[in-house]
Amino acid sequence: AQTVTQSQPEMSVQEAETVTLSCTYDTSESDYYLFWYKQPPSRQMILVIRQEAYKQQNATENRFSVNFQKAAKSFSLKISDSQLGDAAMYFCAYRRSGNTPLVFGKGTRLSVIA
Amino acid sequence: NAGVMQNPRHLVRRRGQEARLRCSPMKGHSHVYWYRQLPEEGLKFMVYLQKENIIDESGMPKERFSAEFPKEGPSILRIQQVVRGDSAAYFCASSPRDRRSTGELFFGEGSRLTVL
Repeated sequence: AQTVTQSQPEMSVQEAETVTLSCTYDTSESDYYLFWYKQPPSRQMILVIRQEAYKQQNATENRFSVNFQKAAKSFSLKISDSQLGDAAMYFCAYRRSGNTPLVFGKGTRLSVIA
Repeated sequence: NAGVMQNPRHLVRRRGQEARLRCSPMKGHSHVYWYRQLPEEGLKFMVYLQKENIIDESGMPKERFSAEFPKEGPSILRIQQVVRGDSAAYFCASSPRDRRSTGELFFGEGSRLTVL
């Protein structure tokens, strides 16, 4: 079974600084997707960024970027120029290709300090 | 362009009562997933359905829980004889058929069940 591990239960970052959230996963598949979702206090699940495993280039969305290391099965999220609105729970998720469920990590709670 | 709609947003039940949670997927989506989030934890997969079919219910508790996605109408997650441990946020997500999929699941805002 696939598993997703987020080893940092909590992280904090100063406003305008950069922070990296870690994620590792375990799979025997070669074709899959990886995601980072943000869950603010409203509890809405918001997609931050996605990566297809067959793409070597790391995904980037404005201030958010990933470091995808397929061989190491690592998928970290970097948030640059952190803003107060970035404070939330961040979940790393894996999904095998095809219509299959998302498998989530336990999450990292990010605090942003003004 | 409505997203995934879940209702009710909040539901309070007493122990032993039944809870019914509804989910309407995004327009054009035929796949529905239910997840449960206990306080301070991540989302745990419960069940995956297509219209009139349960595809994967490996995360569903064997007793008291059931789900359906009828040909017409929303998907329903039903919890019979609720207990305090059922208190959680229940999220529904949808996706289109595989060849149109970007891999992403689109989530509703969740239904928070409180069992007194």
